[in-house]
Amino acid sequence: EIVLTQSPSTLSLSPGERATLSCRASQSVDRYLAWYQQKPGQAPRLLIYDGTNRATGIPARFSGSGSGTDFTLTISSLEPEDFAVYYCQQRSIWPPLTFGGGTKVEIK
Amino acid sequence: EMQLLGSGGGLVLPGGSLRLSCAASGFTFANHAMNWVRQTPEKGLEWVAAIGDAGISTYYADSVKGRFTISRDNSRNTLYLQMSSLRPEDTAIYYCTKVLASSSWDQHFDFWGQGTLVTVSS
Repeated sequence: EIVLTQSPSTLSLSPGERATLSCRASQSVDRYLAWYQQKPGQAPRLLIYDGTNRATGIPARFSGSGSGTDFTLTISSLEPEDFAVYYCQQRSIWPPLTFGGGTKVEIK
Repeated sequence: EMQLLGSGGGLVLPGGSLRLSCAASGFTFANHAMNWVRQTPEKGLEWVAAIGDAGISTYYADSVKGRFTISRDNSRNTLYLQMSSLRPEDTAIYYCTKVLASSSWDQHFDFWGQGTLVTVSS
């Protein structure tokens, strides 16, 4: 089973700042990593798939990079609605599909 | 507008059974693999099961294998999860999810249902 480790667990930033979130895989997942955003009481929403591709309707301030074992989600300038929990998920080797433990982006 | 409407959750005794349903609309259901994913505060997001677009191929997490059965009825645009021998650790919000690409096992999920709560407790 591929283990995904996200860091940091919490990121405290102000609106307008840049957010950099990390996801590290226990073995290579090639480019097959997605990022999701989840707000309280809501289902997760797909932001990025296959490492770098923005999902439909996702603003350009969200970008994904990386391949192999190290991936990054960058939010170039935080908007108030971006404060949420972010998860990574791999589809390279499954079953099982696996998710990271999440990074909470909170208002400083 | 795409919709996945989950139902069937509730309180069940340990050892009991429950069937979740997920009614799909706004896309060609029969063209997409579907999954169930559950979430708890303790364990986070956990993949549960997957089923191919035709309903022939199925896959399960080890934690539910032999106890849960995923199925679909493409004529009714509905996904199911039959859960039996339920345990307290199965308590979670269960989401049905749609795979991004049609006729594909590219298992990233571009749409999630609203979630249905299953509580296993005596």
